[in-house]
Amino acid sequence: DTEVTQTPKHLVMGMTNKKSLKCEQHMGHRAMYWYKQKAKKPPELMFVYSYEKLSINESVPSRFSPECPNSSLLNLHLHALQPEDSALYLCASSQAGPLSYEQYFGPGTRLTVT
Amino acid sequence: AQSVTQLDSQVPVFEEAPVELRCNYSSSVSVYLFWYVQYPNQGLQLLLKYLSGSTLVKGINGFEAEFNKSQTSFHLRKPSVHISDTAEYFCAVSDTPGNTGKLIFGQGTTLQVKP
Repeated sequence: DTEVTQTPKHLVMGMTNKKSLKCEQHMGHRAMYWYKQKAKKPPELMFVYSYEKLSINESVPSRFSPECPNSSLLNLHLHALQPEDSALYLCASSQAGPLSYEQYFGPGTRLTVT
Repeated sequence: AQSVTQLDSQVPVFEEAPVELRCNYSSSVSVYLFWYVQYPNQGLQLLLKYLSGSTLVKGINGFEAEFNKSQTSFHLRKPSVHISDTAEYFCAVSDTPGNTGKLIFGQGTTLQVKP
């Protein structure tokens, strides 16, 4: 099973809302990632978790809060977002450490902030 | 610092014609190289990867790529494209073994296959 799942597929939220994006994988990967992708652009790395610990935060605003409750799950909590945060949010996973080769991506959550 | 340059932002091609999508990278160390494809409204799917060994790498859907260290290139090729190959293609590099997380993407190339 090489699948990364993400829910929801689409999300519309107001600027005062609180919502969460969820990501799950059952490949035994110990590294998980959040990316943001704007239209016609490559994905931009936001966060990396390695062995359930946050290892990379690419200077992301605090209105985005990641959480890795266990080795299979990754959440992204959203609060007080801005319209410019509207984008496709992609989750990915890979092996960690010396075997961290390719990343496997989920289908993404299309987020619209109104 | 690592960087990846995809030399063409758009590549229009007729169905059943061959295609090459160009990718150059800069790195001072050994690299791992990848091509991903993104169909409309979907996530990224790994097409192929170069980690070591043979410089000609075969991937899914009939694609292949050749690693050229002297020219720092990793061009993607397909001998005969289909309408279903219409998508965005990203070249990416991961530089350091054990450096979890750092995939550097190119800006992408839109492949438009015309009937």
